[in-house]
Amino acid sequence: AQSVSQHNHHVILSEAASLELGCNYSYGGTVNLFWYVQYPGQHLQLLLKYFSGDPLVKGIKGFEAEFIKSKFSFNLRKPSVQWSDTAEYFCAVMGGSQGNLIFGKGTKLSVKP
Amino acid sequence: DAMVIQNPRYQVTQFGKPVTLSCSQTLNHNVMYWYQQKSSQAPKLLFHYYDKDFNNEADTPDNFQSRRPNTSFCFLDIRSPGLGDAAMYLCATSSRPRSTDTQYFGPGTRLTVL
Repeated sequence: AQSVSQHNHHVILSEAASLELGCNYSYGGTVNLFWYVQYPGQHLQLLLKYFSGDPLVKGIKGFEAEFIKSKFSFNLRKPSVQWSDTAEYFCAVMGGSQGNLIFGKGTKLSVKP
Repeated sequence: DAMVIQNPRYQVTQFGKPVTLSCSQTLNHNVMYWYQQKSSQAPKLLFHYYDKDFNNEADTPDNFQSRRPNTSFCFLDIRSPGLGDAAMYLCATSSRPRSTDTQYFGPGTRLTVL
């Protein structure tokens, strides 16, 4: 069965610090990978997604993620966070091209001004 | 410009008292999903509708049902809520099911069971 692990439950950073949120998945076949973000009081929205091609994917608001197949990882990065990045971040995987979206438990990011 | 709307945002019900949660969308998407998210856990898919076809996940309890009277609306019915059903319920839509199409989420309904 597919599963997604996000190892950090809560990350606290100061503004301008660099961010990396870990995401590991378990699935042996072709995967499609997603990062969703949920700002306080708002709905889940897509940050970026990977299907194929360049393993370094760029998303909205300066976020990027790198798919490393050998490590079953899809870590989210941002070189310099802002207070407005305070949110909960969810990694999700879809096995193959016709599966369900399987979410991780999420990582709360708090950015101190 | 709200795209996926869920009402109410907060719902309180009593143990065993049926409750209905509502979702509507302005995206004209063919697929509507219901997820359950318990505190500090991952959103978990309960079922989805592809047009009028209902697709239940194997481990979704029978206590949970859904209706989709038209393209825009989808309802989640909990027939006899238990304390363990307290959660955030998320509605989402996409163009195609089980595909890489982006899923668009509503703000969720937080259900409390007394």
